Amino acid sequence: GNSVTQMEGPVTLSEEAFLTINCTYTATGYPSLFWYVQYPGEGLQLLLKATKADDKGSNKGFEATYRKETTSFHLEKGSVQVSDSAVYFCALISLQGGSEKLVFGKGTKLTVNP
Amino acid sequence: EPEVTQTPSHQVTQMGQEVILRCVPISNHLYFYWYRQILGQKVEFLVSFYNNEISEKSEIFDDQFSVERPDGSNFTLKIRSTKLEDSAMYFCASSEGEGYGYTFGSGTRLTVV
Repeated sequence: GNSVTQMEGPVTLSEEAFLTINCTYTATGYPSLFWYVQYPGEGLQLLLKATKADDKGSNKGFEATYRKETTSFHLEKGSVQVSDSAVYFCALISLQGGSEKLVFGKGTKLTVNP
Repeated sequence: EPEVTQTPSHQVTQMGQEVILRCVPISNHLYFYWYRQILGQKVEFLVSFYNNEISEKSEIFDDQFSVERPDGSNFTLKIRSTKLEDSAMYFCASSEGEGYGYTFGSGTRLTVV
C-alpha cells in the first residue's frame, strides 16, 4: 500500500541553520506529494506541494523537489527562524482502490533555538 | 482565504456518551474527510465522503462511527458510544478534487473520561 517514511525527530537547530527533513515514499501510480506543518496548538496547514516528477514546491523559504528516481521529497530551508518551530508532516495522495486519500508520515518535530 | 471551520474546539465527554463533531467545509469543495491524531502520534485517516456517501473508510471507522452531511453545508462525525481510546484530536478536511491538497480545520480535541 501507499506509505510515507520521514526521518525521526526531534530535530533541534539554532536560528539561521540549514534544515533538511528527509521524506521517502512508496506508492502505486504517480502520487502528488505534500508537506504540512502543525504549529503548537494548531491544526494542519499545507506548506507546499508537488504534483509530478521534478516539480519543486516552495513556500515561506521552504522547498522540496519531487524525485521519482529516489522516491523522495525532502524538505529544505536555508535559514530557519524560531517561528519555524513546529511539527512537519510529509504526505502523499495516490489513487488507491478507486478512491484517494491523503497518507501522512509520522511527523518530525523541529525546535529552533534563538 | 477560505477555511474549514470545526466546532467545538474542545469537548470533554464521559465514556459511553455520544458525541457529534461538526465541520463546515469550504463551500465549493466536493470531497470531505475526517482524520484523527492521538496525542503525539501519527495523523490517521478515518473516512472520506463524496456525493453524499462514504467513498472509503479505515479499520478505525467501525460501527461506532458515522458521518453525515445533513444540510449541504455541515459535515458531522458522530461517535455513538465513546471509549477512552477515542480521546484524540479530530480533524476535518475538504478538497476541491482528486489530486488536490486538503484544507484542514483547526481540529476538535476530544477527551473521554
